[in-house]
Amino acid sequence: GAGVSQSPRYKVAKRGQDVALRCDPISGHVSLFWYQQALGQGPEFLTYFQNEAQLDKSGLPSDRFFAERPEGSVSTLKIQRTQQEDSAVYLCASSLAGAKFFGPGTRLTVL
Amino acid sequence: AQSVAQPEDQVKVAEGNPLTVKCTYSVSGNPYLFWYVQYPNRGLQFLLKYITGDNLVKGSYGFEAEFNKSQTSFHLKKPSALVSDSALYFCAVRDGGNTPLVFGKGTRLSVIA
Repeated sequence: GAGVSQSPRYKVAKRGQDVALRCDPISGHVSLFWYQQALGQGPEFLTYFQNEAQLDKSGLPSDRFFAERPEGSVSTLKIQRTQQEDSAVYLCASSLAGAKFFGPGTRLTVL
Repeated sequence: AQSVAQPEDQVKVAEGNPLTVKCTYSVSGNPYLFWYVQYPNRGLQFLLKYITGDNLVKGSYGFEAEFNKSQTSFHLKKPSALVSDSALYFCAVRDGGNTPLVFGKGTRLSVIA
C-alpha cells in the first residue's frame, strides 16, 4: 500500500482482556516504531524494530506489553490484561531513512 | 536525554495573517528536528525536517521552519494562514541515527476566518 496501515482503527476492551493491534508498514521500510499517545499528549515511544529484530523496548510501560515483527514486515503490539490507563491511541511508524511515516493509529478504550 | 518544549498549548491567528508555532529542544548530539501535523482522527503527517544545511527549511503546504542553534529553537512558520491549517502540531527531535523521536506535547493551531 501507499502508506502505513493499522487495524483495527478502534478497539473497545473490558478491563482484563487481551488485545492485539496490527501494523502494516510501508513496503521495504526496514525500521518500525510503536508510539502511545494519551489524550492531550504527544506520542511517546514504546518500541523499535529493525527488520525482525527488536532493538529497543525501553518505552514499554510494563511486562503486559509485548511487540513482535517475526518476518520483518507486519508488526503486532499485544497488551495483556488491559487496564484503564492503557486507553490511548497507539501509533505505528515506519522509515527507511530520514522521516518516519505514521499510520492512522488504533484508538484503544478500556472500560 | 532529549526533550522538546512547545510553550504554547494553543495559538490563534486570523486567516491571511502569518503564523508561528514555537519549539525549543534539548539534545546531546546534533539535532534532527521534525514537525508533524495531526488532524482529527488521522495519523501524524510529516511536514518538514532539519538534518543539516540551510537553517531555513521549507516543507509541505507552504510551511517552513527556522533552525536556530544558539537558541536551540525550531519554530514553525507560514506567511499566510488558512482556515484549513487548523490542527494539532507536534515538534519532535532525535539525536541522529534511527533513534526514536521525542515529541513535544503539541500546539493546537486555530485559524479564524
